Amino acid sequence: DSGVTQTPKHLITATGQRVTLRCSPRSGDLSVYWYQQSLDQGLQFLIQYYNGEERAKGNILERFSAQQFPDLHSELNLSSLELGDSALYFCASSAPPNEKLFFGSGTQLSVL
Amino acid sequence: SQQGEEDPQALSIQEGENATMNCSYKTSINNLQWYRQNSGRGLVHLILIRSNEREKHSGRLRVTLDTSKKSSSLLITASRAADTASYFCATDLSGYSTLTFGKGTMLLVSP
Repeated sequence: DSGVTQTPKHLITATGQRVTLRCSPRSGDLSVYWYQQSLDQGLQFLIQYYNGEERAKGNILERFSAQQFPDLHSELNLSSLELGDSALYFCASSAPPNEKLFFGSGTQLSVL
Repeated sequence: SQQGEEDPQALSIQEGENATMNCSYKTSINNLQWYRQNSGRGLVHLILIRSNEREKHSGRLRVTLDTSKKSSSLLITASRAADTASYFCATDLSGYSTLTFGKGTMLLVSP
């Protein structure tokens, strides 16, 4: 158990819908990262937050947004969903000096 | 495009044999890390090697880094069936752990 909690584990929804994925980092970790894993694209970095502030942005679509709250949990919002958004979404956290990442077990999103 | 590319894409060996996976990357790095993923589950950190290090060991794992060739290798000695998983290299360009992952090597260790 990495200590990173992601909910829900599975999500099935329809095209055009909006969903929210939730992540609770390890106790004390200030950084939260979101990754998307798909068969064709592999593991893609989406976005990083550090203590509530956005620190780095990767291949995140404009239809996607995220935030980190004062209690350090994070949410990833995916809107206007398309079939191609079906993937495994991982959250990870790290503590200073922000080196190795601890991954949650992921949310499997299926867009039908 | 991927910063790191693992080779081979898949590797099948018998228990007790050694497994070697390679990773090549494109730009200068702060550190390089290896992660393991069991089927459909979260990634688990295995080992980190910094840009000024050449070799590192952790249990049955040995990692080498050649910054002049922009490549790294992961050696798993005396493989076990439980080592069956996908292995990913990840490069940290910024020092903030915004890691860029390769597509991974799928390792199958048969009893």
